[in-house]
Amino acid sequence: KQEVTQIPAALSVPEGENLVLNCSFTDSAIYNLQWFRQDPGKGLTSLLLIQSSQREQTSGRLNASLDKSSGRSTLYIAASQPGDSATYLCAVLPDSNYQLIWGAGTKLIIKP
Amino acid sequence: DGGITQSPKYLFRKEGQNVTLSCEQNLNHDAMYWYRQDPGQGLRLIYYSQIVNDFQKGDIAEGYSVSREKKESFPLTVTSAQKNPTAFYLCASSTSTGDGYTFGSGTRLTVV
Repeated sequence: KQEVTQIPAALSVPEGENLVLNCSFTDSAIYNLQWFRQDPGKGLTSLLLIQSSQREQTSGRLNASLDKSSGRSTLYIAASQPGDSATYLCAVLPDSNYQLIWGAGTKLIIKP
Repeated sequence: DGGITQSPKYLFRKEGQNVTLSCEQNLNHDAMYWYRQDPGQGLRLIYYSQIVNDFQKGDIAEGYSVSREKKESFPLTVTSAQKNPTAFYLCASSTSTGDGYTFGSGTRLTVV
């Protein structure tokens, strides 16, 4: 059974730092991996989607990598800003069905 | 603009009442999903529908019911059989192959 783990559960860093959020999954048979952002009391916003054949995707200050063989993905945020404060969720879409399997998220706080 | 609309934003339920949460999408997506989110936990799938007039139970379907009479609409009813319904409920949609996942802004349900 696919399981997705995100470490750390919470992270607080000063503004301007580069940071890495981690996501690991137990079964490498995935169709894609997605990173979402959730602000308090809001829905989820898709940040980056990496297909299983890709190694990374970039959008602005965000870069997500995927290593299927080791079951890991990282979300790199460059030059962090207070507006980046949110919960970041990782989800994998298995090859076998079309339902996302979710990590519990990393709550990120960027201190001004 | 295409998107998903959830209503109401806040909902209060008395003990023993059934309540219905609305979810409408204009993305022409075939698949729709209902998730429940509790503090500190990942998203848990309640029900999903891959096509009109068909739906499947997710991991925590007990005490909930859905219908999918139209492609655009996937309402969720929280019945009196759901013993702990206080949570944040998120509706999502995607293509039939799991691409283009889009979320609504959520409904916060509180039992009073």
